[in-house]
Amino acid sequence: EDKVVQSPLSLVVHEGDTVTLNCSYEVTNFRSLLWYKQEKKAPTFLFMLTSSGIEKKSGRLSSILDKKELSSILNITATQTGDSAIYLCAVEAWTNAGKSTFGDGTTLTVKP
Amino acid sequence: NAGVTQTPKFQVLKTGQSMTLQCAQDMNHEYMSWYRQDPGMGLRLIHYSVGAGITDQGEVPNGYNVSRSTTEDFPLRLLSAAPSQTSVYFCASTPVAGGRNEQFFGPGTRLTVL
Repeated sequence: EDKVVQSPLSLVVHEGDTVTLNCSYEVTNFRSLLWYKQEKKAPTFLFMLTSSGIEKKSGRLSSILDKKELSSILNITATQTGDSAIYLCAVEAWTNAGKSTFGDGTTLTVKP
Repeated sequence: NAGVTQTPKFQVLKTGQSMTLQCAQDMNHEYMSWYRQDPGMGLRLIHYSVGAGITDQGEVPNGYNVSRSTTEDFPLRLLSAAPSQTSVYFCASTPVAGGRNEQFFGPGTRLTVL
């Protein structure tokens, strides 16, 4: 059975800090790893990482996939209060198209 | 495009009642999924569909039924509600075409079972 573990479960930082969120996974026939941001509503997509695309960056957010260690990190630099959210990691396998397995998320709180 | 829509936004049921949560998408996405999210937890997959007429079970399917007669609609039926089904329910769709598989989520339905 596919498994995703995120750490830490929660994190409190101050504006301007840099944070690193972790995601480790076990999945047979890995296809992709996805990061989502969830504020007080539905999750929204951030990044998709695959064997052919192991680094993504958008503004202050960046993510790297480590295929050897079966893990990924999400970095946020110069954090702002608007970054406060739950960050979710999910994986998909080629053999189970359409079926995503999510971790429990990391709750990030950025204080002014 | 309205994206993924869900109704109702809120619902209170008594134990043993049945109901259907509606989900529709207007993006012509092939895949659709239903998740539940309990406090402090991530999303757990209930059922999913890779196309009209095709559905499969996720991690927590017991007590729920789905059908997919059209590409657009993917209703979730609670057969006999139990307090353990109190949760927030999200429907999602995935484009698939072009190698994309990020999910687009509806706004959610907050369900309370008394």
